[in-house]
Amino acid sequence: NAGVTQTPKFQVLKTGQSMTLQCAQDMNHEYMSWYRQDPGMGLRLIHYSVGAGITDQGEVPNGYNVSRSTTEDFPLRLLSAAPSQTSVYFCASSYAGDSRYSPLHFGNGTRLTVT
Amino acid sequence: GQQVMQIPQYQHVQEGEDFTTYCNSSTTLSNIQWYKQRPGGHPVFLIQLVKSGEVKKQKRLTFQFGEAKKNSSLHITATQTTDVGTYFCAGQSSGNTGKLIFGQGTTLQVKP
Repeated sequence: NAGVTQTPKFQVLKTGQSMTLQCAQDMNHEYMSWYRQDPGMGLRLIHYSVGAGITDQGEVPNGYNVSRSTTEDFPLRLLSAAPSQTSVYFCASSYAGDSRYSPLHFGNGTRLTVT
Repeated sequence: GQQVMQIPQYQHVQEGEDFTTYCNSSTTLSNIQWYKQRPGGHPVFLIQLVKSGEVKKQKRLTFQFGEAKKNSSLHITATQTTDVGTYFCAGQSSGNTGKLIFGQGTTLQVKP
């Protein structure tokens, strides 16, 4: 059972480049989310989805796009990378669209550097 | 918007000493979850509290949810080197489904 799989593990981008961080889960979880982790800032919610076809903004959505065409996949797109987007990105999923009673399962993270 | 504040940011203790981290929300929470992240790893779920005044224990770890459901704490008795890591609380406001907001985390260092 793979759980939550994120690719790539590491990525270096130049300012202005675009890329997609991939996230897939094989647990049939309805809820999926993206967080970024920066020193001293904890985990900040970027975007989340309570089911296929439904997405919503979190705390820091600017500069990122998401889509949820299937239950399994929740890619995060950086439209035009900026140095401020240098961070570690975590994808997480849980059973219920309402994560109230379901713990989050995290992927191993993607470490992104924008130069 | 909803904010979750966690203190302290860092804590260094001698092995065997106790440790506590505190979590405060700007809004009433429907539930609070606690996670641990080992250095270089990803957050791993520890526990969830739902009821006002709830107290749960996991071996040397004690978790509390405040009566007003706006604060929580994690207390570790007699720390061990295996407790090293960053502890996060994460809260969900009442009536706001889907948005789990994390505190900044408390990084615990344990000196053997």
